[in-house]
Amino acid sequence: GQQLNQSPQSMFIQEGEDVSMNCTSSSIFNTWLWYKQDPGEGPVLLIALYKAGELTSNGRLTAQFGITRKDSFLNISASIPSDVGIYFCAGQTGTYKYIFGTGTRLKVLA
Amino acid sequence: GAVVSQHPSWVICKSGTSVKIECRSLDFQATTMFWYRQFPKQSLMLMATSNEGSKATYEQGVEKDKFLINHASLTLSTLTVTSAHPEDSSFYICSLISLEDSNTEAFFGQGTRLTVV
Repeated sequence: GQQLNQSPQSMFIQEGEDVSMNCTSSSIFNTWLWYKQDPGEGPVLLIALYKAGELTSNGRLTAQFGITRKDSFLNISASIPSDVGIYFCAGQTGTYKYIFGTGTRLKVLA
Repeated sequence: GAVVSQHPSWVICKSGTSVKIECRSLDFQATTMFWYRQFPKQSLMLMATSNEGSKATYEQGVEKDKFLINHASLTLSTLTVTSAHPEDSSFYICSLISLEDSNTEAFFGQGTRLTVV
């Protein structure tokens, strides 16, 4: 099935550092969502983006909907150990279906 | 956001048997639900779209006779894995779409880990 390209695939960072990850596609999407998934759990919605160019924050998280509608990035500032997990982007196609990115596995070193 | 409850959270079954997974919307009437499958260290792959009162729509490569979907009410969709084989072992997750002010957000159940032995 179709997937979005997400990078980096994994990253190790020190506690307190900022993190940036992005998602790109060859297709245009109407909505971008960012999720965090802990082991053995379903994804939890972090941020939703609805308009090209939109920049939205949720606490230490900031995400932007690319102006071309083909990409999005997620930033995490001042990372803490509980930020560890897998982060997925998801793009919405025209019929409410979401296509997921390949995931970024984040590990925070205390 | 919408609350989605999935049951069971894990199940082990013998090869050849069938397993039913339930997905309930606790605070929202969902005409459409989605079923995803996730293999270890991989992303979520959409299997099918479950439509209340009508047949499910399956993604390419997903066998509809093997993965039976029933969406009999606005709050319940079920996925039945028939004649399960070890290669069906995976993490199955359902989701629903919440429509607020024409913006759509997808909310997920906690997932069901299926192990076929």
